[in-house]
Amino acid sequence: DAKTTQPNSMESNEEEPVHLPCNHSTISGTDYIHWYRQLPSQGPEYVIHGLTSNVNNRMASLAIAEDRKSSTLILHRATLRDAAVYYCILTAGGTSYGKLTFGQGTILTVHP
Amino acid sequence: DAGVIQSPRHEVTEMGQEVTLRCKPISGHNSLFWYRQTMMRGLELLIYFNNNVPIDDSGMPEDRFSAKMPNASFSTLKIQPSEPRDSAVYFCASSLEGTRWGEQFFGPGTRLTVL
Repeated sequence: DAKTTQPNSMESNEEEPVHLPCNHSTISGTDYIHWYRQLPSQGPEYVIHGLTSNVNNRMASLAIAEDRKSSTLILHRATLRDAAVYYCILTAGGTSYGKLTFGQGTILTVHP
Repeated sequence: DAGVIQSPRHEVTEMGQEVTLRCKPISGHNSLFWYRQTMMRGLELLIYFNNNVPIDDSGMPEDRFSAKMPNASFSTLKIQPSEPRDSAVYFCASSLEGTRWGEQFFGPGTRLTVL
């Protein structure tokens, strides 16, 4: 499976935008880019995913580089509830059934 | 929608005992995943099923671990005999194959402590 690289930790202030980077230089043409987050003492939850084009949903935006070797998760206005571990994950298309391989993720701290 | 249901939420047992963790996926989902999370190893995929059939069990640590999915609404993960190194949080997740690729819905987890 193609691997991802994320910073170990990032900090933000409440109500400011947060840009969480992810490098995936060995991504293949059919790999989807997924972001999940895990709040303290909870199971992971889906945030967003994309293939080639930038994506927006109610939680966040996903900006994908033109060469697809990197992507950025954007939280437009961080809240205290956004403090979590954020995982960037690649999933293969075809018959992988959406198998997820979690790395260490980025610990996001949000200051009031 | 009740979400993914796991039981028990907490389990404390002694080394050598059998442990059974249970999972009820979201109704209509046809893929089910078992994960384990520890501080040392992070989140690891143990096994996953599609349409009740085990697809990949390469993450199962050893023969002491077994998983079954007798029907679309129930799965178990069994450890026998349990060892202290099995202490972890075990998550079950389900997804609907073919829609919103890879979006998995996770349960609240079972925290297992083996003394």
